[in-house]
Amino acid sequence: AQKITQTQPGMFVQEKEAVTLDCTYDTSDPSYGLFWYKQPSSGEMIFLIYQGSYDQQNATEGRYSLNFQKARKSANLVISASQLGDSAMYFCAIYYSSASKIIFGSGTRLSIRP
Amino acid sequence: KAGVTQTPRYLIKTRGQQVTLSCSPISGHRSVSWYQQTPGQGLQFLFEYFSETQRNKGNFPGRFSGRQFSNSRSEMNVSTLELGDSALYLCASSTGASGPGANVLTFGAGSRLTVL
Repeated sequence: AQKITQTQPGMFVQEKEAVTLDCTYDTSDPSYGLFWYKQPSSGEMIFLIYQGSYDQQNATEGRYSLNFQKARKSANLVISASQLGDSAMYFCAIYYSSASKIIFGSGTRLSIRP
Repeated sequence: KAGVTQTPRYLIKTRGQQVTLSCSPISGHRSVSWYQQTPGQGLQFLFEYFSETQRNKGNFPGRFSGRQFSNSRSEMNVSTLELGDSALYLCASSTGASGPGANVLTFGAGSRLTVL
């Protein structure tokens, strides 16, 4: 079965702290891609970071990094030095090469406290 | 370059009516995907169009349909609207080339549909 799970519906973090958002997935495809998106209250989905299943190194993009543990089928997003503007919904998504489609997890609402 | 443009941004319809939503992808992107987002069901995949052909489809009733034009612009149509169709409809474009890395989706701002 192809499934993607985000177990944290909501999180509160103090400004400037690091935060880890969890994501696990289930697939038998050898080739797949993992994505993280941010959705502020305005509604638009913003692409943050991508990790390919064959990538040897964890992806990083500025303050965002992806902790990819292939054997455990997890792809956690790490945000370093959180900022107030990081308050938003965060979605993990997976692209299945066999199905040629992307499905999304249920999301985690992150709230940054000043 | 211009992003993904969705129109209209907001609309209100009544049950039984139909609605057409439009999406203009990023220039050069040939794939357009549509998603429905509701508080209860999250983000659900509707369909994907590539080079004017539906390449993939989610589990939605036949009332939901779409098409893509030769300039890659896409429309989705919902007929016989139901209260449960109230949602944010998101369109996203990508190059559509094979492989996961080529399928980073760039989303539009969405069309928020309210069915009364």
